[in-house]
Amino acid sequence: EPEVTQTPSHQVTQMGQEVILRCVPISNHLYFYWYRQILGQKVEFLVSFYNNEISEKSEIFDDQFSVERPDGSNFTLKIRSTKLEDSAMYFCASSNPLMNTEAFFGQGTRLTVV
Amino acid sequence: AQSVTQLGSHVSVSEGALVLLRCNYSSSVPPYLFWYVQYPNQGLQLLLKYTSAATLVKGINGFEAEFKKSETSFHLTKPSAHMSDAAEYFCAVSGMGTYKYIFGTGTRLKVLA
Repeated sequence: EPEVTQTPSHQVTQMGQEVILRCVPISNHLYFYWYRQILGQKVEFLVSFYNNEISEKSEIFDDQFSVERPDGSNFTLKIRSTKLEDSAMYFCASSNPLMNTEAFFGQGTRLTVV
Repeated sequence: AQSVTQLGSHVSVSEGALVLLRCNYSSSVPPYLFWYVQYPNQGLQLLLKYTSAATLVKGINGFEAEFKKSETSFHLTKPSAHMSDAAEYFCAVSGMGTYKYIFGTGTRLKVLA
């Protein structure tokens, strides 16, 4: 069964460093998303991406964040100058409204900023 | 604008008892509604979804939910709880075709032996 794959599963980084979280969406999906879940809290929408551009973003998704689809398969979230409060589980998701009525989530990357 | 309210951040039931997790939504457009389960240190697994077809939706692991437009609710039920059901459950809403989910704050289900 096709699935969304995220790497790494866990990343530890020093405060102030840049991190790139990687996702391989399901191959024929058209929309891509990043969500964040701070420990013990709800899952929050960060950004959606369609046709090689951001289609929607939340107020959380400020200039510290960027997304990219560098090739035909990967979808990345870059966090610049990480802060302690960026520590969270980051979920990637993808969807194809022509085929399914839901988004498919990856297993998440746990980011720990120390 | 869309929002989801999950009543009860923690619910405890005895093994074999009815599970009822509450979700109310607000949406200015016809909603799609979802229940996800999250086991400790794991990702989000789709339990079931409502996408404007049948109002009573059956999902995996014996769970079901009923969409009630008049009550703006989408409560999750299971007739008989099992120890393996202990997890966190999230209700989510999206508009048709957007798949930008708005999640509730989650309900942690504890199953007592």
